Amino acid sequence: KAGVTQTPRYLIKTRGQQVTLSCSPISGHRSVSWYQQTPGQGLQFLFEYFSETQRNKGNFPGRFSGRQFSNSRSEMNVSTLELGDSALYLCASEAGARSGTEAFFGQGTRLTVV
Amino acid sequence: AQKVTQAQTEISVVEKEDVTLDCVYETRDTTYYLFWYKQPPSGELVFLIRRNSFDEQNEISGRYSWNFQKSTSSFNFTITASQVVDSAVYFCALSEARIQAGTALIFGKGTTLSVSS
Repeated sequence: KAGVTQTPRYLIKTRGQQVTLSCSPISGHRSVSWYQQTPGQGLQFLFEYFSETQRNKGNFPGRFSGRQFSNSRSEMNVSTLELGDSALYLCASEAGARSGTEAFFGQGTRLTVV
Repeated sequence: AQKVTQAQTEISVVEKEDVTLDCVYETRDTTYYLFWYKQPPSGELVFLIRRNSFDEQNEISGRYSWNFQKSTSSFNFTITASQVVDSAVYFCALSEARIQAGTALIFGKGTTLSVSS
């Protein structure tokens, strides 16, 4: 069974640009969540999608957005990049709709903003 | 507000030593779940253990064991006879059972464990 796949693995962007990250969940999983990991703030929840609907959103500015497609694949977009957006972005997929189940994480996309 | 605190930033041990990672959480919900995840250098988070708020029974699974105490809001994790391969960052996480919370995980800042041979 294939795991969670995130592409690209590494990305370098310039301030002011926008970026799109992709996540393919485990087959059959309908919940996809995104997290930002930085040395200063640690792991922070960005948003969660279930059946193409955003169910929950963390405390991030509107520059961070996402979507989920009918095949459960998800993308997140960051517009007007800032230096502080440099981080490891992790995607997690879960089989169920409710909390308490095991989340499977991808290896992440390392975004560097210069 | 929900919060997870891992007071230990870094721990260094020698192989075969036992090591306990501390975790204290805050939540107003009565139903919630607690997790431990491991993050090796490759980056992906690996699920280790899960406990729900109604089950305070402590268990042992191989070299792993955990101590969940609601009275002190703690969920500590012990590795017995540590090995070099246990070197990683360990995260404690909380998720709440409210529908509005979805499957969001609230993570602690992590504890970096270094096991030397």
